Amino acid sequence: QKEVEQDPGPLSVPEGAIVSLNCTYSNSAFQYFMWYRQYSRKGPELLMYTYSSGNKEDGRFTAQVDKSSKYISLFIRDSQPSDSATYLCAMSPSTGGGNKLTFGTGTQLKVEL
Amino acid sequence: GAGVSQSPRYKVAKRGQDVALRCDPISGHVSLFWYQQALGQGPEFLTYFQNEAQLDKSGLPSDRFFAERPEGSVSTLKIQRTQQEDSAVYLCASSLGGRTGELFFGEGSRLTVL
Repeated sequence: QKEVEQDPGPLSVPEGAIVSLNCTYSNSAFQYFMWYRQYSRKGPELLMYTYSSGNKEDGRFTAQVDKSSKYISLFIRDSQPSDSATYLCAMSPSTGGGNKLTFGTGTQLKVEL
Repeated sequence: GAGVSQSPRYKVAKRGQDVALRCDPISGHVSLFWYQQALGQGPEFLTYFQNEAQLDKSGLPSDRFFAERPEGSVSTLKIQRTQQEDSAVYLCASSLGGRTGELFFGEGSRLTVL
């Protein structure tokens, strides 16, 4: 069993929909949680970074962490075709220079006009 | 340049050939990572450098994989006697280090072993 589980999708939604992406994890040492967006044939880019349980909002994006359930989510409001990409959750037991990230499989999202 | 630069972007190798993949990190970034991303999977950690020191190579899948960063800037990932299972995208990432640790990824080198 992988340390981080993520539904690979694909997930297809109409423009303007609210999207919910989720990951579960088994390693309770994970303390830092990230969401990356990866466009086709590009490298991942950081979207959101959270440490504690609770919500963090940045524009149309909200990251949610529930450490007691070992469950994290990313919500995208008013989704746009430009949001079509693969979304990767990532986590680490620490931050700093040697923060080795463990990634989920990635969920492929398509936002249709 | 402004971002992490990787070359070649695409490499086709015959099984048994040696390949070398180059990463030019963001100027001033102390930390450098290599990840391997198989098709339909998330990136998996290979190795980590702080300046020229390779501090973690626990993710290298076999002794055919070797990475170096001799002057603390450009890094090379070398794969000897390539096998079909080595086919993947190899991603390089760099960061300033310290407490923030945000990783900036390059676009990757896509290796296909025939």
